[in-house]
Amino acid sequence: RKEVEQDPGPFNVPEGATVAFNCTYSNSASQSFFWYRQDCRKEPKLLMSVYSSGNEDGRFTAQLNRASQYISLLIRDSKLSDSATYLCVVMTGGFKTIFGAGTRLFVKA
Amino acid sequence: DAGVIQSPRHEVTEMGQEVTLRCKPISGHNSLFWYRQTMMRGLELLIYFNNNVPIDDSGMPEDRFSAKMPNASFSTLKIQPSEPRDSAVYFCASRTLFDADTQYFGPGTRLTVL
Repeated sequence: RKEVEQDPGPFNVPEGATVAFNCTYSNSASQSFFWYRQDCRKEPKLLMSVYSSGNEDGRFTAQLNRASQYISLLIRDSKLSDSATYLCVVMTGGFKTIFGAGTRLFVKA
Repeated sequence: DAGVIQSPRHEVTEMGQEVTLRCKPISGHNSLFWYRQTMMRGLELLIYFNNNVPIDDSGMPEDRFSAKMPNASFSTLKIQPSEPRDSAVYFCASRTLFDADTQYFGPGTRLTVL
């Protein structure tokens, strides 16, 4: 079993749609959680950190459920520019970073 | 501000050759990570340095791989001898103690071993 599992997609959605991505992790000792975004042939970039209390950044909302070892990302009012691969990331011990395989999103006009 | 700088951006070499990848972290950052990304295995952490000291190299695939950080502004990842299965994109990332959540990635080196 992979340490961090994501649905690879692809998710094909129209502009303006709401889309949700899920991620599960296996190490209960994991301490920090993130969503990164990676555009085609580019480097990953931090989208947002994920906290148990949930956090929101504009159209993006992230949630963490430690009991279920589950992380989610919700994108509202999708834009064409949201098309990318979204990587679920889990960190243990302050540095041991495990990336999920990524979920591909295509937003179409 | 300059971000993380990696060189070369592309490298094509033949099996058995030595390959050296270079990384310059963001000035003032005290942690550095080397990652490898392939279609099959995704993004994998190879080695982590803190204050120029290798803390964890458990992700280094085998003895053919070695990494050094002689000073705070430079790191290398060396593969000797290289094999076709080493073909991947190699990313370097750095972060600062004051923003430990954020790893800043370089543009990557796309390595092809023929």
